[in-house]
Amino acid sequence: AIQMTQSPSSLSASVGDRVTITCRASQGIRNDLGWYQQKPGKAPKLLISAASSLQSGIPSRFSGSRSGTDFTLTISSLQPEDFATYYCLQDYNYPLTFGGGTKVEIK
Amino acid sequence: QVRLVESGGGVVQPGRSLRLSCAASGFTFSSSGMHWVRQAPGKGLEWVAVVSYDGSNKYYADSVKGRFTISRDNSKNTLYLQMNSLRVEDTAVYYCAKAEQQLVSSWGQGTLVTVSS
Repeated sequence: AIQMTQSPSSLSASVGDRVTITCRASQGIRNDLGWYQQKPGKAPKLLISAASSLQSGIPSRFSGSRSGTDFTLTISSLQPEDFATYYCLQDYNYPLTFGGGTKVEIK
Repeated sequence: QVRLVESGGGVVQPGRSLRLSCAASGFTFSSSGMHWVRQAPGKGLEWVAVVSYDGSNKYYADSVKGRFTISRDNSKNTLYLQMNSLRVEDTAVYYCAKAEQQLVSSWGQGTLVTVSS
């Protein structure tokens, strides 16, 4: 199975900060990666598909990029509603595999 | 508007069985692959299984292979997860989700399964 190594596992940031979260795949997965946001007690929400395609209704401060097997989720200016846990998911092949998650907390 | 409503969760003893259901609406269910994803209390997300739009193809996580069976009834717009030989480590919130190509896209609200003696 493809391993997705997500970092950091947690971070503290302030409103207005630029935040970067990374997932590294254990092998090539093309652009077959999604990013999700999950708030406590809620189901995850898909933010980005195909590594960089922003889903409808998701604010433009969220963006995704790829460099080889490294994938990055960037929040350009952190807003109060962005404090949550973020996950990546590779959908290149089965079994699908998630990264371990990144909890974004208020500094 | 995609709507997915899971049911069937509860408390069950180790070794017993449970069947989860997921009622779908707001999209053409018979044209969409469907996933189950779970999340143990305080832990991350774990993909469990997927079924193709017509039920002909199914894939499972190694942790559930041979114990869980995913299925669907397109006449009822309903997805199922039959869980046999349940273990304590299967305790989790189970989410059903719609597939966009292979990616997990829209999610239900989840149903809690607790395996405990």
